[in-house]
Formats: sequence, structure tokens, C-alpha cells
Amino acid sequence: QLQLQESGPGLVKPSETLSLTCTVSGGSISSTNDYWGWIRQPPGKGLEWIGSVFYSGSTNYKPSLKSRVSIFVDTSKNQFSLKLSSVNAADTAMYYCARHVAYADYLPYWGQGTLVTVS
Amino acid sequence: QSALTQPPSASGSPGQSVSISCTGTSSDVGGYNYVSWYQQHPGKAPKLMIFEVSKRPSGVPDRFSGSKSGNTASLTVSGLQAEDEADYYCSSYAGNNNVVFGGGTRLTVL
Repeated sequence: QLQLQESGPGLVKPSETLSLTCTVSGGSISSTNDYWGWIRQPPGKGLEWIGSVFYSGSTNYKPSLKSRVSIFVDTSKNQFSLKLSSVNAADTAMYYCARHVAYADYLPYWGQGTLVTVS
Repeated sequence: QSALTQPPSASGSPGQSVSISCTGTSSDVGGYNYVSWYQQHPGKAPKLMIFEVSKRPSGVPDRFSGSKSGNTASLTVSGLQAEDEADYYCSSYAGNNNVVFGGGTRLTVL
């Protein structure tokens, strides 16, 4: 059974860079034709897709976040990571990583999420 | 891209059926048979309930079903149970591998 686990600092200062890593177990990050994505959810609000990365390094980002987001993959560690620069209070959210089935854009496996507070 | 439109709330009594709508455009919901639905209980990660409009992943009860007509997709929960009380989000393929979610619907079991 595929499992995903987010890790990283829970507190980031305004204007700094948020960095999170997702570790994939139970399967190889490079053995599928799928993407690996990041999704966030501000407290009490809905889901927002941030972006996704293919094991080759190819990426897709939400247009409104594109200037601040970088997602990259480390196949040797079976991990992929998110960097979001110049954060502010509006970036406070639960951050989830997930497997992104590209041909139909659905997300069958999710991590448990990690709360990041910008303060 | 614009978010998909869902009603903020829905409700039903145990045993009843309830449907939640998800309205998009011909560029997303209406253009492809790739609508998915997620269930999220408080404090938990979202769980995939329906993909490709009407397919259920292994382990999802057949009380959950999906359909689509034009630019509107629907999730129907039949034989409502207390454990179905949760937030539900729809999502649709839009042709560019950019995932778009609906605003979410809180389902209350009365």
C-alpha cells in the first residue's frame, strides 16, 4: 500500500521560504506515469492545488502561485519537495502531498498533512 | 482557472439519499469524463471516493455514486449513515494537468 508522509518546519517567518518534503513508501516514485503533487488547505477553508512534479522533474504549478513555487524530486530518496518563497500569513495552511494521476487529474493517495504557520 | 461551484451545505436524515452538485464549464466538467470526489472528515486528509465521474476505488461503499450531465456533476450518497457526515470536494480535469477543486460542501446527517 502506497504511503506518503510530509515533513518540515511547522513555523516559518514572514518573507522567508517554506520548505516541505514528502517521503513515499510502498512504491517507487519513478515507477509510474503519474505526477506527485502538493495541496494546501487554510484553516476552515477549502482545498487548493499548488503544483505537481513528474519523476523526470517536469512540473505544473497553479498559475497564481507560479512565481513563488518550486517543486522538485529526489528519486534516490523516493522523495519530492516543495519550496514556497516570500510567505505571508495567507500561506498558513495544512499542507498535503499526494499522488496525482495525470491522465484524469485525480489524487488517490494522500499524506496525513502537516500544519505550517507563518508568523 | 476558476474553482468549480458547489453548494456550501447539504443535509439528509439517516437512510435517505442526498446529492451534491458540482458545476463547471465546457472546458472542465463538461468537456471530459474525468470528475473526481473527495470526502474529508474533520482533522483528516481527504479521501478519494469517486474518479472518472462514476468509478469507485476499492473499499468505497457502493452507497456512493457519481454522475454527470452537461457541465454539472453530482455525487449521490444513498442510505445515509452518521459516518457520512463530512466535507465533500469535487475536482475535474481541465486539459492541462492543473487540478481545480470545488469550494466544498458540508454534508450534515440530521
